Amino acid sequence: GQQVMQIPQYQHVQEGEDFTTYCNSSTTLSNIQWYKQRPGGHPVFLIQLVKSGEVKKQKRLTFQFGEAKKNSSLHITATQTTDVGTYFCAGSGWANSGGYQKVTFGTGTKLQVIP
Amino acid sequence: SQTIHQWPATLVQPVGSPLSLECTVEGTSNPNLYWYRQAAGRGLQLLFYSVGIGQISSEVPQNLSASRPQDRQFILSSKKLLLSDSGFYLCAWSKGSEQFFGPGTRLTVL
Repeated sequence: GQQVMQIPQYQHVQEGEDFTTYCNSSTTLSNIQWYKQRPGGHPVFLIQLVKSGEVKKQKRLTFQFGEAKKNSSLHITATQTTDVGTYFCAGSGWANSGGYQKVTFGTGTKLQVIP
Repeated sequence: SQTIHQWPATLVQPVGSPLSLECTVEGTSNPNLYWYRQAAGRGLQLLFYSVGIGQISSEVPQNLSASRPQDRQFILSSKKLLLSDSGFYLCAWSKGSEQFFGPGTRLTVL
């Protein structure tokens, strides 16, 4: 079955430093999404990447989708304390039953920003 | 606009007791619905998903079950809770790939 791994599992950075989390799928994905979960909260959708090699930016966040559509990364420039949380990637692929895009969440990267 | 509700927000139950968590969605029709469990400090584990009324697919064997009696209602149940059932239970809906999560239920089994 489809598996999605993320590294690192945890990351502590000094405020102002950059941060990157990487996501790797065992299968080719139709698309990939990124979510952020603040401590004590629920995951919130950030962005979706669909095209091979796609790069999207949201202010200090840069998202990339690999050429083979099996990996992705999220890079945060100059982290702030508001960036604290767990970042999940989620890959979409066709479920075995067909007609349904199954979403598999990555293991998540917990980011701690030290002021 | 669409809204997703979950209740209760927190729950403490003894081992062996039954469980019923409810999730309802407003503002959309025929959504895909999901139940996830998140253990403390861990990732999201997909438990069940549903593409329509009465259509439930289970992702992992367990002592939990799910039902979808109405288009926008998704229920997670157990006849007898285990200690390992403790966790943060999240309901989500989607129309395409993007998933929208409810506020979650924190379940502690003692």
